[in-house]
Amino acid sequence: NAGVTQTPKFQVLKTGQSMTLQCAQDMNHNSMYWYRQDPGMGLRLIYYSASEGTTDKGEVPNGYNVSRLNKREFSLRLESAAPSQTSVYFCASSIGRVGNQPQHFGDGTRLSIL
Amino acid sequence: DQQVKQNSPSLSVQEGRISILNCDYTNSMFDYFLWYKKYPAEGPTFLISISSIKDKNEDGRFTVFLNKSAKHLSLHIVPSQPGDSAVYFCAATNFGNEKLTFGTGTRLTIIP
Repeated sequence: NAGVTQTPKFQVLKTGQSMTLQCAQDMNHNSMYWYRQDPGMGLRLIYYSASEGTTDKGEVPNGYNVSRLNKREFSLRLESAAPSQTSVYFCASSIGRVGNQPQHFGDGTRLSIL
Repeated sequence: DQQVKQNSPSLSVQEGRISILNCDYTNSMFDYFLWYKKYPAEGPTFLISISSIKDKNEDGRFTVFLNKSAKHLSLHIVPSQPGDSAVYFCAATNFGNEKLTFGTGTRLTIIP
């Protein structure tokens, strides 16, 4: 049982390049999330999807777009990467709203933007 | 504005002793709290949670205490083991909400 799988694990981009981070879960979860983790900042929510076909902004959505392709997959796109987007990105999923079941996280994508 | 604060970036504890990790929050609307544990190069994993209707929740060696009047919660690990060395994140939300607000984490090191 793979849980939450993120690809790629590492990526280096140049300023202005675009990139899509992929996330897939095999737990039949309804909700999926994208976070970024920066030193001294904890994890901050970028976007989330409560169900297939819906997406909502989190705390730091600027510069990102998301697609909930189907129940399993939730992608995060950087249209024009900026050095401020250098971070570790985590995808998570949960069966439903927080409190019913906790969120399960992938192992992260380490993204550097030069 | 940091709504969930973990004021100790790091903590070292002898193996076998008690580890106490602290977390403070400012948003009085939060009513559900979670602790996550994170090893290097891995994603966070859920450890334990507590609802605001309780003041204590226990799971094996892990106990979370909630003091609503002080807006403070703590995670106790007894006894501490080397495998407990990790970064611990406190998180808070409204029950039924989609959004978790995380603290900045405390790096726990268990000394053999």
